[in-house]
Amino acid sequence: AQSVAQPEDQVNVAEGNPLTVKCTYSVSGNPYLFWYVQYPNRGLQFLLKYITGDNLVKGSYGFEAEFNKSQTSFHLKKPSALVSDSALYFCVVSGGYQKVTFGTGTKLQVIP
Amino acid sequence: EAQVTQNPRYLITVTGKKLTVTCSQNMNHEYMSWYRQDPGLGLRQIYYSMNVEVTDKGDVPEGYKVSRKEKRNFPLILESPSPNQTSLYFCASSIGTLYEQYFGPGTRLTVT
Repeated sequence: AQSVAQPEDQVNVAEGNPLTVKCTYSVSGNPYLFWYVQYPNRGLQFLLKYITGDNLVKGSYGFEAEFNKSQTSFHLKKPSALVSDSALYFCVVSGGYQKVTFGTGTKLQVIP
Repeated sequence: EAQVTQNPRYLITVTGKKLTVTCSQNMNHEYMSWYRQDPGLGLRQIYYSMNVEVTDKGDVPEGYKVSRKEKRNFPLILESPSPNQTSLYFCASSIGTLYEQYFGPGTRLTVT
C-alpha cells in the first residue's frame, strides 16, 4: 500500500522569507510525486511533479521541490514567500498502478 | 477552454434518497477519478477509471457507485446516502496517473 505523510498541519512564514512544506512517502516501486495547491473556495491546481530525472523540480509560481530517495521525501520549497501563497498544499503519490494517494494537507500562512 | 465540470455544485438531501453527481471533461482524457475532501483527512480517492467501461475502487468506495459509458463522463452515484457521506466531492481527469490531474470546482453535499 502507498501512503503520504505531511507532518505539519500548518506552516507560518513571514513574507519574503523562504518556505518549506514537508512531505514523506511510502510506495513500492518507483514513486511518482506531485504537489497541488488549493486556494480558499477554489479548486485544486497542479504545481509540479517528479517522475524521473533531476531531483530538483521546478514548478508554477516560483515553487520547487526536492526529491530525496534515501529519505523518501519530496519537500516543497520557495525562496521568498508571498502573502498570495497562503493556501492549502497537498503532496500526492502515485505508484503507477492507477491509484492516487493524497496527504492530509498543510495550511501555509504567509504573514505580511 | 479545457475544463472539468461538475453538477450540482451544492446539494442538500435526506438520508436514503438516491442522487447522482455528474462529471464531464472536454480534454479527451482517459483517466478520471472521484475524491472526497474532509477536514484533516485530505482528499481520499473513491473510484477511478482508466477508460470507458474500466473502473476500480479507490480507498473509500463503500456507499458509492460509478459508471463510465462515455469517455467524457464519469458520474458518481449514491444509491442510499447517509450523513457520513456529507463532504466536498471533486472529480478529476488526466491523461494518466503520471500526469497532472485537472480538477472540477467541487460539489458540496450535505445529507441530513
